Amino acid sequence: GEDVEQSLFLSVREGDSSVINCTYTDSSSTYLYWYKQEPGAGLQLLTYIFSNMDMKQDQRLTVLLNKKDKHLSLRIADTQTGDSAIYFCAESPNTNAGKSTFGDGTTLTVKP
Amino acid sequence: GAVVSQHPSRVICKSGTSVKIECRSLDFQATTMFWYRQFPKQSLMLMATSNEGSKATYEQGVEKDKFLINHASLTLSTLTVTSAHPEDSSFYICSAVDIYSGNTIYFGEGSWLTVV
Repeated sequence: GEDVEQSLFLSVREGDSSVINCTYTDSSSTYLYWYKQEPGAGLQLLTYIFSNMDMKQDQRLTVLLNKKDKHLSLRIADTQTGDSAIYFCAESPNTNAGKSTFGDGTTLTVKP
Repeated sequence: GAVVSQHPSRVICKSGTSVKIECRSLDFQATTMFWYRQFPKQSLMLMATSNEGSKATYEQGVEKDKFLINHASLTLSTLTVTSAHPEDSSFYICSAVDIYSGNTIYFGEGSWLTVV
């Protein structure tokens, strides 16, 4: 079945850039997402990218997709303490956009 | 923007009782909703796909008789955990797809279930 993998932890200093990486196995993945989850809260969709795109930028967030290597990354510029959270990478196939497979999440800790 | 609302956000129930969690799409119609479960410090696991007007599709290993899903209208899906046990304690999250806005997925805020 589909598999999505992420590194579990990332620690950066405030003001630095954070890069969270994700790999997936499903070749039919069409939608790739990044979600943020703060402690005790639900999921917040940060951004998404379609598989026919290489890059998407949205304010401090930059998503890079290497479809050949099935590698997705999320870069957060000027990371702030409020960015500390768990970040989930997820993928969905074209045939069922809502049926997402999630990675295990990367816990981002931003130190002042 | 579109919002998916879950209720209750937190619930405590006794072992052996049943508890219902609602998932509502507030300003769009969702023919399909999804229910996920998240154990502490773990990822989200898809439990089932809720289809309006028909039976839910359950993922392998999910007991359909224990986790009853009803999608009676285009804006409401309910998940009922029957005969709850402490091991059912978890964070349950639903999502809905707005097919009229490019298949955008919206997640609810999640519901914490504690079975004592």
